Amino acid sequence: QVQLQESGPGLVKPSETLSLICTVSDYSISSGYFWAWIRQPPGKDLEYIGSIYHSGTTYYNPSLKSRVTISVDTSKNQFSLRLSSVTAADTAVYYCARRDHGEAFDIWGQGTMVTVSS
Amino acid sequence: QAVLTQPSSLSASPGASVSLTCTLRSDINVDTYRIYWYLQKPGSPPQYLLRYKSDSEKQQGSGVPSRFSGSKDASANAGILLVSGLQSEDEADYYCMIWFSSASVFGSGTKVTVL
Repeated sequence: QVQLQESGPGLVKPSETLSLICTVSDYSISSGYFWAWIRQPPGKDLEYIGSIYHSGTTYYNPSLKSRVTISVDTSKNQFSLRLSSVTAADTAVYYCARRDHGEAFDIWGQGTMVTVSS
Repeated sequence: QAVLTQPSSLSASPGASVSLTCTLRSDINVDTYRIYWYLQKPGSPPQYLLRYKSDSEKQQGSGVPSRFSGSKDASANAGILLVSGLQSEDEADYYCMIWFSSASVFGSGTKVTVL
């Protein structure tokens, strides 16, 4: 059964860069699918951040595009998120997910809480 | 105006059938979009339920019971999630989603309480 697991610092200082990794188990990223990042601020709506294909093709939410970089490391079966110039508004639970061929996010990681604070 | 609007809450008794609505902004025609539905329980990630565009283009998520089904109300410009035979474990937040302007957009969710 395909599993995704987020990892990374739980606390990031304002103006710095948030970095997270999603490790995929029991499925090779190189086999296909898009892989996505989605976040959810406490008590608020889900927000799509962006997606990446194993080839490196990326699609970003236009509202975050200027600050987001998503990359993939097929040798480690991982994909990563970098969000620059963070503020308190970036405090959220960050989820990684698989985007299936029908463009649904069909498998999700458990999520990791990231707090932006000095 | 939000792209997707959902009622904030809904409550019903076990065994009831409930319809959750997801209204698209008036300039976005529901007929042309796939509507995706997810549920989320406290402390857990969202779970994919199904997607619905039409009766000929729909998909149930893996392992999702058939008592969860999708439809549309074109007159209301809305997608609908029907939950039949409501069970206590269905108590959750339900989110709709569409792909719009190169990004997925989620509704603000409906909290379903099973009385």
